[in-house]
Amino acid sequence: SQTIHQWPATLVQPVGSPLSLECTVEGTSNPNLYWYRQAAGRGLQLLFYSVGIGQISSEVPQNLSASRPQDRQFILSSKKLLLSDSGFYLCAWSKSRVTDHFTDTQYFGPGTRLTVL
Amino acid sequence: GNSVTQMEGPVTLSEEAFLTINCTYTATGYPSLFWYVQYPGEGLQLLLKATKADDKGSNKGFEATYRKETTSFHLEKGSVQVSDSAVYFCALGSGGQNFVFGPGTRLSVLP
Repeated sequence: SQTIHQWPATLVQPVGSPLSLECTVEGTSNPNLYWYRQAAGRGLQLLFYSVGIGQISSEVPQNLSASRPQDRQFILSSKKLLLSDSGFYLCAWSKSRVTDHFTDTQYFGPGTRLTVL
Repeated sequence: GNSVTQMEGPVTLSEEAFLTINCTYTATGYPSLFWYVQYPGEGLQLLLKATKADDKGSNKGFEATYRKETTSFHLEKGSVQVSDSAVYFCALGSGGQNFVFGPGTRLSVLP
């Protein structure tokens, strides 16, 4: 069966510090991968998605970036955090399909709660 | 573009009450529809889904029917439990466009 891991689970960082959040998927190959942010009491905002190694699409311009160095690894980064970067970051995966990848069910990790002070 | 609208709540019910959370959507083409549930401090879990018109998704006593004529996917449960307290998200997936989530509905079930 497939599992998705995220770490760290919680993180408190000062403004201006760098960020690296990691997501890995087990039990499947060539998944589509997604990063979402959930601000306090709000819905989900898609930040990035990837259909393959080194292929990243950005949905919202901001000071965050994403990378996919391996097939089942997805990393969210920032060089300098802002207060507004605080939130709950969720990684998700879906089965690969050449077209229609946003129709497949997305499966979510446990999330990382980031607090920027 | 595609969008999802759902009642934001919070919704407070007594145990064993009937639950309805409304969800309507706007989409081009033939989207798939989903309900996800998020328990406190956790990620989202898929609750149920439907991939075509008139399909009914069901799981753990929850049901939702894909109604193309009313562009709706309302979530229902006949008798809620305290353990159903969570935030429920309606979502839409449509080929070539973003997976879109509603704002979430917080449900509190009191004993």
